[in-house]
Amino acid sequence: GAVVSQHPSRVICKSGTSVKIECRSLDFQATTMFWYRQFPKQSLMLMATSNEGSKATYEQGVEKDKFLINHASLTLSTLTVTSAHPEDSSFYICSARPLEVEQYFGPGTRLTVT
Amino acid sequence: GQNIDQPTEMTATEGAIVQINCTYQTSGFNGLFWYQQHAGEAPTFLSYNVLDGLEEKGRFSSFLSRSKGYSYLLLKELQMKDSASYLCASMDSNYQLIWGAGTKLIIKP
Repeated sequence: GAVVSQHPSRVICKSGTSVKIECRSLDFQATTMFWYRQFPKQSLMLMATSNEGSKATYEQGVEKDKFLINHASLTLSTLTVTSAHPEDSSFYICSARPLEVEQYFGPGTRLTVT
Repeated sequence: GQNIDQPTEMTATEGAIVQINCTYQTSGFNGLFWYQQHAGEAPTFLSYNVLDGLEEKGRFSSFLSRSKGYSYLLLKELQMKDSASYLCASMDSNYQLIWGAGTKLIIKP
């Protein structure tokens, strides 16, 4: 149990376009979902925390107008990278947390902006 | 401030034992996590300690000392597939994970 999926797993887009990444908890309801970004050889960096039905809480330095997060249901959260630029190229990982303490990670999405 | 420290890189031999240390300072404490991350993949859960002591799970064990703000991950009978980064993360009073930079473990034959 406790499976989290992400789609797409890999995406290449042109500079200036927008990309939507979906994160789904497949066999549990996630009251909280987290979005992380990871650059090569670096640790996970928390971007934002989203709770179902409310606005996401963004970490300092993360532009909320650029990284739009929607947590419309207890099993789905989406991250939209708007007007993507090459510096947004990264590995984006979501995690979902049911009522328990542990977080379950999705497989990640590799975004390349050309 | 909040801080997690772990070594950047370690090297060990196949079949041997390795201990990866982690020290933490967080605002409040709701447990210490260890995750394994292979290159290009998302982290996978290894262990969770919230009480002092050693938790053993197969070849992997994790230890916690809350008074010392210290944890370690012990890997026995190392296999080549254990080559990965090992991430230490402390959960603070807001139930947010504070991540270490990860320890890259290199296993040599």
